[in-house]
Amino acid sequence: QLQLQESGPGLVKPSETLSLTCTVSGGSISSSSYYWGWIRQPPGKGLEWIGSIYYSGSTYYNPSLKSRVTISVDTSKNQFSLKLSSVTAADTAVYYCARHMWLAPFDPWGQGTLVTVSS
Amino acid sequence: EIVLTQSPDFQSVTPKEKVTITCRASQSIGSSLHWYQQKPDQSPKLLIKYASQSISGVPSRFSGSGSGTDFTLTINSLEAEDAAAYYCHQSSSLPVLFGQGTKLEIK
Repeated sequence: QLQLQESGPGLVKPSETLSLTCTVSGGSISSSSYYWGWIRQPPGKGLEWIGSIYYSGSTYYNPSLKSRVTISVDTSKNQFSLKLSSVTAADTAVYYCARHMWLAPFDPWGQGTLVTVSS
Repeated sequence: EIVLTQSPDFQSVTPKEKVTITCRASQSIGSSLHWYQQKPDQSPKLLIKYASQSISGVPSRFSGSGSGTDFTLTINSLEAEDAAAYYCHQSSSLPVLFGQGTKLEIK
């Protein structure tokens, strides 16, 4: 059974870079046809897609965040990562990783990790 | 980009009631519309994919319908465990987007 687990600092200072890693277990991140995405949810609010990556390294970002986002993949560790630069309080959210096929639903999701931006 | 608008934002219902949540897209998305359930302090769970396709392990009281711009999630004979937020999600084109969510409260 495929499982995803987010990890990283729970507190980031304003203007710094948020860095998270998603570890995939129970399956290979190099499986063809699957993409690996990041989605976030500010406290009490809705869901926002951040971006996705294919194991080959091809990336797709939400235009609203594109200038600040970098998603990368490490197939040797079965992990993919998110970097979000120049963070502000508005970036405080639960960050989820999830698997999907091209233009398809997200399933499964990781349990999520809360990142708070505060000095 | 395609905008999704869900209604209602909030609904308080009694067990065994039938619930209908709608999702309207700002332009046609065919059947590329999916529904998720999110219980408090949990990650979203896929309920229905491609407008009406059922997901293994999801109770049969959950069903979806629609195509083009108008979609519906129906919960027949609501149970207490269905208290959650429900989100629609379009994957017709990038950027993929979610509806604002519908919070379901059980009386």
